[in-house]
Amino acid sequence: DAGITQSPRYKITETGRQVTLMCHQTWSHSYMFWYRQDLGHGLRLIYYSAAADITDKGEVPDGYVVSRSKTENFPLTLESATRSQTSVYFCASTEGLAVQETQYFGPGTRLLVL
Amino acid sequence: AQTVTQSQPEMSVQEAETVTLSCTYDTSESNYYLFWYKQPPSRQMILVIRQEAYKQQNATENRFSVNFQKAAKSFSLKISDSQLGDTAMYFCAFMKDSGYALNFGKGTSLLVTP
Repeated sequence: DAGITQSPRYKITETGRQVTLMCHQTWSHSYMFWYRQDLGHGLRLIYYSAAADITDKGEVPDGYVVSRSKTENFPLTLESATRSQTSVYFCASTEGLAVQETQYFGPGTRLLVL
Repeated sequence: AQTVTQSQPEMSVQEAETVTLSCTYDTSESNYYLFWYKQPPSRQMILVIRQEAYKQQNATENRFSVNFQKAAKSFSLKISDSQLGDTAMYFCAFMKDSGYALNFGKGTSLLVTP
C-alpha cells in the first residue's frame, strides 16, 4: 500500500517493558517525525529525522529512542514504558526535500501502559 | 517559543451552513507556515489547508478557506456549505521558516448537525 503506515495500531503493555512502534512510508520522503497526542493537548514532537542515520530531539524526547537505518522506516522505541507514555502516537513525513513542506500523517498507534 | 491558541474548544453548525474556526499564534518570526489539520473520529490527521506567511493571498481549498491576518497573528478557517463528514477535531498548527516542528493548538471540536 502506498502512503504512510504504522504498526501496531493498538498496543497494551506493562510498566517497565520495552515497546517498539513501527512507521513505514513508501514515498521516499526525506523527513520523518514522531508525535504524541494527549487529551487537552495538540500533537507534540518527540523526535524527527532529516534522512537515514540523522535524527534529532523534539519537544518531548525523554524515555524514547529512534533510529533510521533506512529512508522508509522510522521506528520509535520506549525503552522502559511508563504510565505517562500512554498516548496516541503519530508518525509523519514531509512531501518534499525541505522540512517546511507539508507533513502527512500515519493512522496513529494507541498505546496503553498499565 | 511559538504558541498557538484555539479559543473555541467546541463548535456546532448545521448542515449547509458556514462556520469559522479561530486560531491565533504568537511569534517573532517574519516568515513561517500555518496549517489546518482535520482529525475525524478515525483519528487520522488530514491536512485541510496550508498558508505561507509571505503570501498575502488567502489560501482556499474547495469549501475551505482561511482568513490570514499577519499583523493580528490570526489564522481562521472558514468552512462553507458544511457537510456531516466535516464533523471532526480541527487543529491549527504553526511552523517557523527555520524550524522543523509543527506547533499545534489544542484543537476545536466541530459537530455538524442535520
